[in-house]
Amino acid sequence: KQEVTQIPAALSVPEGENLVLNCSFTDSAIYNLQWFRQDPGKGLTSLLLIQSSQREQTSGRLNASLDKSSGRSTLYIAASQPGDSATYLCAVPPQAGTALIFGKGTTLSVSS
Amino acid sequence: EAGVTQFPSHSVIEKGQTVTLRCDPISGHDNLYWYRRVMGKEIKFLLHFVKESKQDESGMPNNRFLAERTGGTYSTLKVQPAELEDSGVYFCASSHLGPYNEQFFGPGTRLTVL
Repeated sequence: KQEVTQIPAALSVPEGENLVLNCSFTDSAIYNLQWFRQDPGKGLTSLLLIQSSQREQTSGRLNASLDKSSGRSTLYIAASQPGDSATYLCAVPPQAGTALIFGKGTTLSVSS
Repeated sequence: EAGVTQFPSHSVIEKGQTVTLRCDPISGHDNLYWYRRVMGKEIKFLLHFVKESKQDESGMPNNRFLAERTGGTYSTLKVQPAELEDSGVYFCASSHLGPYNEQFFGPGTRLTVL
């Protein structure tokens, strides 16, 4: 049974720091991996999707990597800003089109 | 392009009452998913529609939950009768069919059962 773990559960950094959020999954048979952002009381915003055949995806200051063999993904945020404060979630579907299995998320706080 | 919308945004009901949640997916998305997050836990899958058909309902907690997707467009999730443990945030997501199928989420409905 697939399990997704995110470490750390919470992270506080000063503005301007580069940081890495970690996501691990127990079963390497994933179809893709999605990173989301959730602001308090809001829905989930899709940040990046990495297909299982890809190693990384970039969007602006965000870079997500995927290592299927080791069951890990990282989300790198460059030059963090207070507006980056949110909960970051990773999720994997076992097969194309199937439901996502989520981690509990990492709550990031960036202070100015 | 409009995103996934959900109604209501909040609902507070008494134990034993009935509540119906609605989700309007992104136009053209054949996949529609319901998820739920209860306090302190991770988001968990409830149900998956492909067009109007239930593809996977293995996450539905019990038969007090009934989901429908009329004509392959919007979907409703009814809880009858509601219990205290049904409290949480219910999310709807949609995606295209096909290999890419990035899922897009709605803002969620926060359900509180008293």
